[in-house]
Amino acid sequence: AQKITQTQPGMFVQEKEAVTLDCTYDTSDPSYGLFWYKQPSSGEMIFLIYQGSYDQQNATEGRYSLNFQKARKSANLVISASQLGDSAMYFCAMREGRGSARQLTFGSGTQLTVLP
Amino acid sequence: GAVVSQHPSRVICKSGTSVKIECRSLDFQATTMFWYRQFPKQSLMLMATSNEGSKATYEQGVEKDKFLINHASLTLSTLTVTSAHPEDSSFYICSASSSGAYNEQFFGPGTRLTVL
Repeated sequence: AQKITQTQPGMFVQEKEAVTLDCTYDTSDPSYGLFWYKQPSSGEMIFLIYQGSYDQQNATEGRYSLNFQKARKSANLVISASQLGDSAMYFCAMREGRGSARQLTFGSGTQLTVLP
Repeated sequence: GAVVSQHPSRVICKSGTSVKIECRSLDFQATTMFWYRQFPKQSLMLMATSNEGSKATYEQGVEKDKFLINHASLTLSTLTVTSAHPEDSSFYICSASSSGAYNEQFFGPGTRLTVL
């Protein structure tokens, strides 16, 4: 079974609008972390936001927020006020267990295009 | 955030030759580094986990004799693609975990390998 599922291969959004990128996950470990990364065409992976499984509140970082619904096992990324520079590939990832030395498992990604 | 560098950024080589890719954590010590491979339009697939001073842990299906990993110090891990073939052409990305707020992985800029 897929551990991380991103069902939207591609998304379009109008500049200045908000957009939600979907991510669902599957784990039996009670301790896990969820990450979102942005990968522009240059290939670098840029960390955006993190949500821990025990965090009570949804994570926010500037224009990025994570809609964490634990019972549904979903961790959707919301980008508010989209900018042209937001056009990129977005990956959801999960780390199971505690400790930074544990591996990340990535979803298949969503290609976001922001339209002027 | 923490900085991870990779060298070279691009390499083109002939089939049958070996290529070494370096991954360095510039401003922090990383006991664990990760090596990923990414084919065009696809997600990152973990190849191996590199531990300083010990043997790397390879993912299922990754040939350890073909992809040699050495983690000689807390700031340097190397991936050597031995006897490269055209099917090894890919984007190789390393990452390192820091002791940051979220224990997130910081990624290098990637190395694009083309085997002729």
